[in-house]
Amino acid sequence: ETGVTQTPRHLVMGMTNKKSLKCEQHLGHNAMYWYKQSAKKPLELMFVYSLEERVENNSVPSRFSPECPNSSHLFLHLHTLQPEDSALYLCASSQDLVSGANVLTFGAGSRLTVL
Amino acid sequence: AQKITQTQPGMFVQEKEAVTLDCTYDTSDPSYGLFWYKQPSSGEMIFLIYQGSYDQQNATEGRYSLNFQKARKSANLVISASQLGDSAMYFCAMREYSGGSNYKLTFGKGTLLTVNP
Repeated sequence: ETGVTQTPRHLVMGMTNKKSLKCEQHLGHNAMYWYKQSAKKPLELMFVYSLEERVENNSVPSRFSPECPNSSHLFLHLHTLQPEDSALYLCASSQDLVSGANVLTFGAGSRLTVL
Repeated sequence: AQKITQTQPGMFVQEKEAVTLDCTYDTSDPSYGLFWYKQPSSGEMIFLIYQGSYDQQNATEGRYSLNFQKARKSANLVISASQLGDSAMYFCAMREYSGGSNYKLTFGKGTLLTVNP
């Protein structure tokens, strides 16, 4: 596989469930990101990891818990979510945080619905 | 205040014609970068084109060109010879310094482009 792969593509969960979103990149990048995309709102940066170390946490509620076990994998653990958390969650990677154009490569997203 | 403003929620263009998607930005950082991404209905954000704040010439990538007007803080995307497959959401984004060794990418709300046959 190439690029950035996200699983599952679609997820429906109740407010009391615990689930995880998975992201894997095959590009040899050192930085990975989670974004939230809600209807009619700009993309919101949630978390940034550089070389498996979290470098940014944009005031995200604790019901979202990221994990980066290595530079190729990124998880978003979900528990006791609210209906307003329903959104498309996009994972992205980049070569690093500082160089040049630093283009982000995105996955296709995980569409989350919280009932 | 919004960092990235895309004033056109939706645009229509006839196949084979050119279309301009507007983007204005706000930053006090002298070194920044501007990006355009395309998001088809499948969900994946696809990088189209990049313009650095110090680049003297407008960026071009195939049918895509970026009309960079630094004094006006605008970075409009021009798509020439539109194709049906160009129908998608288009996002303008800006990368600016956010402290330490970090940079932050901020996205606009997007413009939905529909190409008519």
